[in-house]
Amino acid sequence: DIQMTQSPSSLSASVGDRVTITCRASQSISGHLNWYQQKPGKAPKLLIHSASSLQDGVPSRFSGSGSGTDFTLTINSLQPEDFATYFCQQTYSSLLMYTFGQGTKLEIK
Amino acid sequence: EVQLVQSGAEVKKPGESLKISCKGSGYIFTSNWIGWVRQMPGRGLEWMGIIYPGDSDARYSPSFQGQVTISADKSISTVYLQWSGLKASDSAMYYCARRSTYSYAMDVWGQGTTVTVSP
Repeated sequence: DIQMTQSPSSLSASVGDRVTITCRASQSISGHLNWYQQKPGKAPKLLIHSASSLQDGVPSRFSGSGSGTDFTLTINSLQPEDFATYFCQQTYSSLLMYTFGQGTKLEIK
Repeated sequence: EVQLVQSGAEVKKPGESLKISCKGSGYIFTSNWIGWVRQMPGRGLEWMGIIYPGDSDARYSPSFQGQVTISADKSISTVYLQWSGLKASDSAMYYCARRSTYSYAMDVWGQGTTVTVSP
């Protein structure tokens, strides 16, 4: 199994801040890394696919980078609606076992 | 509009069986894998497995192999997740999600189905 480790598990920030969340894979997953945002009581929403490609309709303040085992999600100029939980997911596994990171809860400072 | 619509909330007793559904619309249903994801209360997302509705090829995470069955009925654009003997620990929110043909990311999600298992 490919294990995904996110850090930090929680993060406090203010509106207007720039924040970075990291995700590390237990083996190389090339660029097969996706980021999701989940708000309370809602289904996850795809933000970034293929490590750095912005999903249609997602604001440009979200960006992703990385390849191999280390990846980052950056949110520039935090907006009130960005306070949520973020998950990474690898979709590299040839067995279609697409594991998620444990999540990062982004809270208002 | 591309969407996945899941069946409604369920309340069951331990040992009972259950089958929840996920119906796709707005796209060629047989062209995309559909995955199932569990989220226990206050916890993260867990990958359960995935099915290709075109031929019902299903793959399971080892944690869920033998615990659930994933199936599909392409004639009605629906995939299912079923249990033959529920446990209290199966109480959770369950999401279905479509795998993008292009990126392999889960690009469309159902609204979720809450399953509560209580004596």
